[in-house]
Amino acid sequence: GQNIDQPTEMTATEGAIVQINCTYQTSGFNGLFWYQQHAGEAPTFLSYNVLDGLEEKGRFSSFLSRSKGYSYLLLKELQMKDSASYLCAVKKDSNYQLIWGAGTKLIIKP
Amino acid sequence: ETGVTQSPTHLIKTRGQQVTLRCSSQSGHNTVSWYQQALGQGPQFIFQYYREEENGRGNFPPRFSGLQFPNYSSELNVNALELDDSALYLCASSGTSDGDTQYFGPGTRLTVL
Repeated sequence: GQNIDQPTEMTATEGAIVQINCTYQTSGFNGLFWYQQHAGEAPTFLSYNVLDGLEEKGRFSSFLSRSKGYSYLLLKELQMKDSASYLCAVKKDSNYQLIWGAGTKLIIKP
Repeated sequence: ETGVTQSPTHLIKTRGQQVTLRCSSQSGHNTVSWYQQALGQGPQFIFQYYREEENGRGNFPPRFSGLQFPNYSSELNVNALELDDSALYLCASSGTSDGDTQYFGPGTRLTVL
């Protein structure tokens, strides 16, 4: 079966750092995506990892370990606008289908 | 370059009715994927179209159908609407030029009464 797990909700303080974890068990793997989704809006692309290691993009970084079926999204210098849900999605095999986690709701407090 | 667009933004229907949702893909993209997202859940894959052919389908009944046009825009049709069909319907386009990253439209919020 296909399974992607993320924490349901996390709380962090403005200016701090937060790490959102994602573990996956899928029958195939051809890359992992992170998306941000504000309430009532569509997901927006943040990062894509296909090889092991850390990808850094400004305040956001994403890490992948294929052997452990594990990824995390690291958000630095948190801002109030970062309050959103963060979705982890795995691309199976060579087709375009994405398997999605339920998302982690991140609450930023002043 | 225009992004992914969807229409309508919101829609209210009653049980048993039929609905058609539309999506225009991003310029240069030849693949469209449709998702259903219930409140507080991740998107659920409905199906995908690549160059006018269905290229994979999720666990949705046959009353969910679709098509893709030569300009790569797409439609999602849902027949015999049920209350549980109330959700945000998302369309995402992708193409090899963008490394297969899926870019989403704003979604259509469907309410079935």
